[in-house]
Amino acid sequence: DAGVTQSPTHLIKTRGQQVTLRCSPKSGHDTVSWYQQALGQGPQFIFQYYEEEERQRGNFPDRFSGHQFPNYSSELNVNALLLGDSALYLCASSGTTANTGELFFGEGSRLTVL
Amino acid sequence: AQSVTQLGSHVSVSEGALVLLRCNYSSSVPPYLFWYVQYPNQGLQLLLKYTSAATLVKGINGFEAEFKKSETSFHLTKPSAHMSDAAEYFCAVSDLTQGGSEKLVFGKGTKLTVNP
Repeated sequence: DAGVTQSPTHLIKTRGQQVTLRCSPKSGHDTVSWYQQALGQGPQFIFQYYEEEERQRGNFPDRFSGHQFPNYSSELNVNALLLGDSALYLCASSGTTANTGELFFGEGSRLTVL
Repeated sequence: AQSVTQLGSHVSVSEGALVLLRCNYSSSVPPYLFWYVQYPNQGLQLLLKYTSAATLVKGINGFEAEFKKSETSFHLTKPSAHMSDAAEYFCAVSDLTQGGSEKLVFGKGTKLTVNP
């Protein structure tokens, strides 16, 4: 049973560029959440997608946007990159039928902005 | 709004010693609480979770945590540390009142060092 998979694992961008990160949820899961983990910090909630719509959003600017596809996979897009966007971006999936609050995380995409 | 405070950003123990990582939470509703572990350059792995059943929760790798409502605490313990326990540990609280969505609020983490 494949867990949560993310791509790419590492990438380097320069300020002002745009980036797209991808996530495939764990088999059977229909909800995808994205978290940003800055160096030395805990993960912070960016947003959550369910039924191809953004269901919840954290305190992140509109430069951060996402999408969920019919197969439940998801993308995170960040426009006009800033140095402060350098972080590990974690995707997590969950299933609405489980309703335990438990998230399954991927290994993350490490973004470096120069 | 929920919040989590992890006391001690760094904890160092000797191999074989007791591990105690502290977590206090704030929640306006009965919380679901979690401990996750993160090894270097990896994602988060669930250690254990409290979901309003038994207050003493046993997890993987010999870890356990006790939910104490009166103290709003959910401290993580392990009787005997192993070198492989060296990692960063995150406590998190979840609120399922918002339509059943699983949004976690994390603490800042505690880095555990195990000395030989």
